[in-house]
Amino acid sequence: NAGVMQNPRHLVRRRGQEARLRCSPMKGHSHVYWYRQLPEEGLKFMVYLQKENIIDESGMPKERFSAEFPKEGPSILRIQQVVRGDSAAYFCASSPVTDYGYTFGSGTRLTVV
Amino acid sequence: TQLLEQSPQFLSIQEGENLTVYCNSSSVFSSLQWYRQEPGEGPVLLVTVVTGGEVKKLKRLTFQFGDARKDSSLHITAAQPGDTGLYLCAVGSNNAGNMLTFGGGTRLMVKP
Repeated sequence: NAGVMQNPRHLVRRRGQEARLRCSPMKGHSHVYWYRQLPEEGLKFMVYLQKENIIDESGMPKERFSAEFPKEGPSILRIQQVVRGDSAAYFCASSPVTDYGYTFGSGTRLTVV
Repeated sequence: TQLLEQSPQFLSIQEGENLTVYCNSSSVFSSLQWYRQEPGEGPVLLVTVVTGGEVKKLKRLTFQFGDARKDSSLHITAAQPGDTGLYLCAVGSNNAGNMLTFGGGTRLMVKP
């Protein structure tokens, strides 16, 4: 049973480009969460999704960031017109129900140059 | 002020030593989790504590939830280099989804 799969592991983008981060939850997990870990900072919640629905996006910047979890395929975190401050590790986690421990992926490390 | 304050922020010890790290808050929580994150990887859940005063053991790791459910500690006995990592405590929100709020973490280095 594969864990939470994130790709790519490393992503380099120039300022102004778009970044797409993918997350395939564990089999049977219908709840997906995205977190961001900035250098020297803790993990911060961004967005919580279920299939085809954004449940809570209170931690996600209002501009340039969007997330989806389609009926088929992985969850996508999309960052448009990236800036240097977007450089961080982005982690996806999944769970089978809400009141349960998460399983985190290995993350995508985004570097904006 | 962070919801969860972890101390110390950094800890460097020799193999075989014992250590305790802390997670404190002024708020009361229904449960609290501890994670370990190794460099280049995502956090891995170690334990969830739910009852005030609860003590859970995981091999050489002992987790305690404070009686008032406001704080927690993690004690490692005879630390090994493999214990090196970032130790994070986290609490869930009370709304739908149980999103986690993490402490700033304790970065532990165990030298051989």
